[in-house]
Amino acid sequence: QLVLSQSPSASASLGASVKLTCTLSSGHINYAIAWHQQQPEKGPRLLMTLNSDGTHRKGDGIPDRFSGSSSGAERYLSISSLQSEDEADYYCQTWGPDIWVFGGGTKLTVL
Amino acid sequence: QVHLVESGGGVVQPGRSLRLSCAASGFTFSSYAMHWVRQTPGKGLEWVAVIWYDGSNKYYGDSVKGRFTISRDNAKNTLYLQMNSLRPEDTAVYYCTRAAPLFDYWGQGTLVSVSS
Repeated sequence: QLVLSQSPSASASLGASVKLTCTLSSGHINYAIAWHQQQPEKGPRLLMTLNSDGTHRKGDGIPDRFSGSSSGAERYLSISSLQSEDEADYYCQTWGPDIWVFGGGTKLTVL
Repeated sequence: QVHLVESGGGVVQPGRSLRLSCAASGFTFSSYAMHWVRQTPGKGLEWVAVIWYDGSNKYYGDSVKGRFTISRDNAKNTLYLQMNSLRPEDTAVYYCTRAAPLFDYWGQGTLVSVSS
């Protein structure tokens, strides 16, 4: 069964860096994913698509502070120089045969 | 510039029907699969349905299978979601998204509230 797992919450200080994790279920470790950001009271927006080899392509207008990497079943979203507007929910997403799946989301708090 | 605008949400009683629309612009609509995704208040994102670029294939999430129907009109650049036999647990913000194949553009959403 295709499942994405995320920690429910994370926090980091203004100006610091943070790394969020999305874990693919067993048997699906080569899948590409997408990272989406949802700021309070807004719709989601694509941050990047991320392949199993760590190559990634960002969405429109996404700053260089956002980057992605991969290791085995783990897909990472790194944010540097945290700003207040980075406080948001972050979702990973992938797809399989006739099914599209989201992780449960990570709520990032900027202290 | 890609633009997706949902409409048709509102308050509806359990068991009734509602049709959502998503007007697309800024890209060749007929070249892309399109999805509906929903978000229950305060909760995460749930995939609802997909329709192939030409309408030839449609797939649904388990929670809406048999009740919801996705369709599109490529001449009008519009995506639809016909929702029948609505339940309180269908209350959510409904988003349309473009698939390439991962979701690369989202609309702003339309709120559906199912309540007596």
